[in-house]
Amino acid sequence: AQSVTQLGSHVSVSEGALVLLRCNYSSSVPPYLFWYVQYPNQGLQLLLKYTSAATLVKGINGFEAEFKKSETSFHLTKPSAHMSDAAEYFCAVSDRGGGFKTIFGAGTRLFVKA
Amino acid sequence: NAGVTQTPKFRVLKTGQSMTLLCAQDMNHEYMYWYRQDPGMGLRLIHYSVGEGTTAKGEVPDGYNVSRLKKQNFLLGLESAAPSQTSVYFCASSWGGRASGEQFFGPGTRLTVL
Repeated sequence: AQSVTQLGSHVSVSEGALVLLRCNYSSSVPPYLFWYVQYPNQGLQLLLKYTSAATLVKGINGFEAEFKKSETSFHLTKPSAHMSDAAEYFCAVSDRGGGFKTIFGAGTRLFVKA
Repeated sequence: NAGVTQTPKFRVLKTGQSMTLLCAQDMNHEYMYWYRQDPGMGLRLIHYSVGEGTTAKGEVPDGYNVSRLKKQNFLLGLESAAPSQTSVYFCASSWGGRASGEQFFGPGTRLTVL
């Protein structure tokens, strides 16, 4: 069975500071891993995905995530936070069946202080 | 290319009333999904479909029914609304098959049941 744990329901950083959002997963098969972002009153949109190619994945808006199999982690980072990064972020894990067994984490809300 | 669209965007119902939420996608995706999003609980899968004419139960199917008569449309019905169904509902779609499982989301429907 698959599961996803996002550590911290809320994270607050100053503008220009490092953003680190943590995600740990469990999966009985090699997983696909995703980070989605949700801005207020909008649906989720894909930030980046890991599909077993490079372990360091670059996404949109300067975000990246590193797949670490030994730690079963897929943490999301951005070197310098912008005010526009304030949103809710969801980590998700999927088996290789085209998506219908995707499990989403509970989400982490990112606050960016001026 | 509109992506995934949802109708309506907002709705207020009284307990016991019925309604249908419509989801449409123009990407020729095989799989479609209905989720509900509640504070602190992330996304929970209500029902999903892996192709035209097929539907299956997700994590929280009670009180909901779905139909997928056309590939591009996925309808979610509430036969007798209850206050516990107050939530934000998201439709999503994905390629299916052996694709990576990335899901494309609609903008959401905010439902309040009084």
